Amino acid sequence: QITLKESGPTLVKPTQTLTLTCTFSGFSLSTSGVGVGWIRQPPGKALEWLALIYWDDDKRYSPSLKSRLTITKDTSKNQVVLTMTNMDPVDTATYYCAHSKWELPIDYWGQGTLVTVSS
Amino acid sequence: EIVLTQSPGTLSLSPGERATLSCRASQSVSSSYLAWYQQKPGQAPGLLIYGPSSRATGIPDRFSGSGSGTDFTLTISRLEPEDFAVYYCQHYGSSPWTFGQGTKVEIK
Repeated sequence: QITLKESGPTLVKPTQTLTLTCTFSGFSLSTSGVGVGWIRQPPGKALEWLALIYWDDDKRYSPSLKSRLTITKDTSKNQVVLTMTNMDPVDTATYYCAHSKWELPIDYWGQGTLVTVSS
Repeated sequence: EIVLTQSPGTLSLSPGERATLSCRASQSVSSSYLAWYQQKPGQAPGLLIYGPSSRATGIPDRFSGSGSGTDFTLTISRLEPEDFAVYYCQHYGSSPWTFGQGTKVEIK
């Protein structure tokens, strides 16, 4: 079955760079049509889509955060990494990674990881 | 970027009642790439409906989706106790993907 799990720091300081890793199983990111994305959710607030990477290395970003985000994949390790630069307290949120397929919605989600930005 | 506006913000209903949730897009959603998710406290969201009227695997038929263009609806025909949660609509397919701000369905 498909599973995804996020890992990374739980606390980062303002201006630092956040690096999150999504480790998945049950599928391969070298299979045509497969994508892995990142979504975040500030406490008590709505979901916000951040980025998506497809099997062919096509990368998509939220326009409002594009300058701060980088998404990469390591197919051999079954991992997707998201980096976000210049972290601010407003970036405090639960960060989820998720699986989808081309022109289909998210069908599997990780459990999420809470990242707090504070000095 | 397609902005999705959900209404109402909160829906207070009793078990057994019908729930009707709205999602309006700022521009036409191509090929009806519109999905609905359910999120319960402390959990990741789960896919309910996509395309915009296809139920995801294992979703009971009391959940239904409809709409096209800019106006979409999620209907829960008879609310069960486990249906009280927050519901999000999402535009997918072409980027950027976007989510609505959510509708909370609470027990009256």
